[in-house]
Amino acid sequence: EDQVTQSPEALRLQEGESSSLNCSYTVSGLRGLFWYRQDPGKGPEFLFTLYSAGEEKEKERLKATLTKKESFLHITAPKPEDSATYLCAVQAGSSNTGKLIFGQGTTLQVKP
Amino acid sequence: GAGVSQSPRYKVAKRGQDVALRCDPISGHVSLFWYQQALGQGPEFLTYFQNEAQLDKSGLPSDRFFAERPEGSVSTLKIQRTQQEDSAVYLCASSPRTSSYEQYFGPGTRLTVT
Repeated sequence: EDQVTQSPEALRLQEGESSSLNCSYTVSGLRGLFWYRQDPGKGPEFLFTLYSAGEEKEKERLKATLTKKESFLHITAPKPEDSATYLCAVQAGSSNTGKLIFGQGTTLQVKP
Repeated sequence: GAGVSQSPRYKVAKRGQDVALRCDPISGHVSLFWYQQALGQGPEFLTYFQNEAQLDKSGLPSDRFFAERPEGSVSTLKIQRTQQEDSAVYLCASSPRTSSYEQYFGPGTRLTVT
């Protein structure tokens, strides 16, 4: 069964304190791994797509990496405005419809 | 440009009532998805449209849930005889391609069944 697990469930950081969020996945043929940011009361906002092991993508203070079993979202010198829930999702090779399988999310709080 | 819009943003229904949730995807987007998000959880897939064709409805939890996209643009998710367990945020997403790749989400409709 295709599955995505994120850890930790919640993370509190001081402003400037770098850290990483983990996304472990089990999927029958990975077509893509997606990172989204979700603010309270809003829909998920697309951040990155990774397609193959070894791939990395960066956007401002965020960097996403991918291995054959997991993905990391590295946050460098975070600011309070980075506080949000970060969702990881995969698209399985068995799916030809593009549906995403999400993890439960990591809620990040950055204190000034 | 305009993103995905959903209406209403909030809906309170009494148990047993029928509800209809609307999604306006980004113009020209071929693919449209509905997801259900329970409090504190990630979104769960409900159904997928490619233009007007519903190609995957494997995530619909019961036959009380029905979705349509008759002209290949606006979509409606209908829930008949609502139950308390239907309380959740219903998210719509659209994508410019027919498979894979990033999906762009709307703000969601929060449904509360009392």
